[in-house]
Amino acid sequence: AQTVTQSQPEMSVQEAETVTLSCTYDTSENNYYLFWYKQPPSRQMILVIRQEAYKQQNATENRFSVNFQKAAKSFSLKISDSQLGDTAMYFCAFMKHLNTDKLIFGTGTRLQVFP
Amino acid sequence: GAVVSQHPSWVICKSGTSVKIECRSLDFQATTMFWYRQFPKQSLMLMATSNEGSKATYEQGVEKDKFLINHASLTLSTLTVTSAHPEDSSFYICSAGGGGQYRNEQFFGPGTRLTVL
Repeated sequence: AQTVTQSQPEMSVQEAETVTLSCTYDTSENNYYLFWYKQPPSRQMILVIRQEAYKQQNATENRFSVNFQKAAKSFSLKISDSQLGDTAMYFCAFMKHLNTDKLIFGTGTRLQVFP
Repeated sequence: GAVVSQHPSWVICKSGTSVKIECRSLDFQATTMFWYRQFPKQSLMLMATSNEGSKATYEQGVEKDKFLINHASLTLSTLTVTSAHPEDSSFYICSAGGGGQYRNEQFFGPGTRLTVL
């Protein structure tokens, strides 16, 4: 069975600074997808970034980038130039490489961005 | 990205009544829909997976007769909480996935807050 672990329940960062959220996972699969989702106070789940395990290059989306270490089963999210609007819960998630399989979520990290 | 709606966004009901929550994919055909439950300050817990035209697959510990799921078409899935009790109060979120450009990704609805009195 797959598991996803987020060891940081809460993080804080000052506006314009950089913060890294950690995520590790366990799986015996070779092909899979990893995601970071953001859940602001509205509780709408928003996809931040997605990584395909067979791609060695780390995914980037504007200020968001990941450090994907397949051998170590690590998938951290770096937020650069943090903004107040980045304040939210962040969930790391795993999906098998199938035609839309279920997502397995970590417990989440609450990020607070201070002015 | 694809858009998923949920209705209602908020519902209050009396204990013992049934409540239906709808999940619709607005601009794509959702071959698979998922229902999650989220308690305050916790992660999303998958309740069940539904495929259009077939019975839902429930996660261990989720009561099938309590949480009825119907995926009648490629754009609509419903979750009915039967004989609701206060402990069923929670935030329910659906997500949808499809084929083609929408495969290997889930699109989330805005959620439904259920309060059972």
